[in-house]
Amino acid sequence: EIVLTQSPATLSVSPGERATLSCRASQSVGTSLAWYQHKPGQPPRLLIYDASNRATGIPARFSGSGSGTDFTLTISSLEPEDFAVYYCHQRSNWLAFGGGTKVEIK
Amino acid sequence: EVQLVESGGGLVQPGGSLRLSCAASGFSFSNFWMSWVRQAPGKGLEWVASTSQDESEKYHVAFVKGRFTISRDNPKNSLFLQMNSLRAEDTAMYYCVRNVGYGDFWGQGTLVTVSS
Repeated sequence: EIVLTQSPATLSVSPGERATLSCRASQSVGTSLAWYQHKPGQPPRLLIYDASNRATGIPARFSGSGSGTDFTLTISSLEPEDFAVYYCHQRSNWLAFGGGTKVEIK
Repeated sequence: EVQLVESGGGLVQPGGSLRLSCAASGFSFSNFWMSWVRQAPGKGLEWVASTSQDESEKYHVAFVKGRFTISRDNPKNSLFLQMNSLRAEDTAMYYCVRNVGYGDFWGQGTLVTVSS
């Protein structure tokens, strides 16, 4: 079973600043990793798939990188609507999510 | 426009059963894997079950095996989750998800509460 560990659990950032979120896999998943944004009262939204590809309609300020066991989601300049919980997800073995990183307003 | 609309959630006693439904529209339902994902109150996302286009492949996560069954009706563009022997820890929002390896479209969810 592949376990995904996200860090930090909470990230306090001011609007306009850069946010860097980490996801580490317990074994290699290649580039079979996605990132989702989840806001209260809404379903999760796919942001990034296959580690670095933006999903349809996702702004360019969101970018993903990494391969193997270490992955990063970067939000280059936080907008007010970006404050949410972010999950990584892998499809390489069984379908598992990380525990999430809450991005909150500093 | 892709739409996934869940129904069938509600309050049920421990040991009881519920059948969740998901009505799909706006895409060729029979061409896609489909899944159920849940989120318990205050917790993260958990992948529950997935089915291939023709149900020849089905996967259920360990903690629901033998209790939950995913199924689909392609002519009716519908996905189902039969949940038996429900436990308090199954209390969650259940999302219907179009699965392209990743969940590219999600429904709004249906809330299942297991409590006496």
